[in-house]
Amino acid sequence: EPEVTQTPSHQVTQMGQEVILRCVPISNHLYFYWYRQILGQKVEFLVSFYNNEISEKSEIFDDQFSVERPDGSNFTLKIRSTKLEDSAMYFCASRAAPGAYEQYFGPGTRLTVT
Amino acid sequence: AQTVTQSQPEMSVQEAETVTLSCTYDTSENNYYLFWYKQPPSRQMILVIRQEAYKQQNATENRFSVNFQKAAKSFSLKISDSQLGDTAMYFCAFMNYGQNFVFGPGTRLSVLP
Repeated sequence: EPEVTQTPSHQVTQMGQEVILRCVPISNHLYFYWYRQILGQKVEFLVSFYNNEISEKSEIFDDQFSVERPDGSNFTLKIRSTKLEDSAMYFCASRAAPGAYEQYFGPGTRLTVT
Repeated sequence: AQTVTQSQPEMSVQEAETVTLSCTYDTSENNYYLFWYKQPPSRQMILVIRQEAYKQQNATENRFSVNFQKAAKSFSLKISDSQLGDTAMYFCAFMNYGQNFVFGPGTRLSVLP
């Protein structure tokens, strides 16, 4: 069964550094999402992406964040200058088509900012 | 804005017994979808069950079933014959058609041997 994959599974970085989290959505999916889960808290929406542009973003998704689909398979989340409070689990998800509503989640990347 | 509430931060159940997790939501939309996700210690998000709001029949997946009360905006999850592997965080989630998820704060379920 096709699945969403994410790399790395765990990333440790120093405050102020840039990180790129990578996701490979399911191949025929058209909609892509990033969510964040701070330890012990609920999962929060960050951004959705369709047709090579951001379709929606939350208040969390400020100027330090950016997303990109650099080729036909990868979907990346860049955090330009990491802060301690960016430490969280980051989930990528994808959805097939306008008529499909289910989002498939990847296993997550645990980001630790020290 | 939509909100999802899970009023039980933690619950426990004896193995083989039945437990019900509560979820309520707030929306002005008529068409939407509801989900329950399980998050074990590995922290992966695993879809347990889903319900389309336009369907009156409650969804069932093996030992998991829901009680969907649209007028009351309630979407509870019943787990029958609880197993040790059911121990996890359970998140209720709401989604408008074509939009992103809104998750509840979660209920930590412990299945006791």
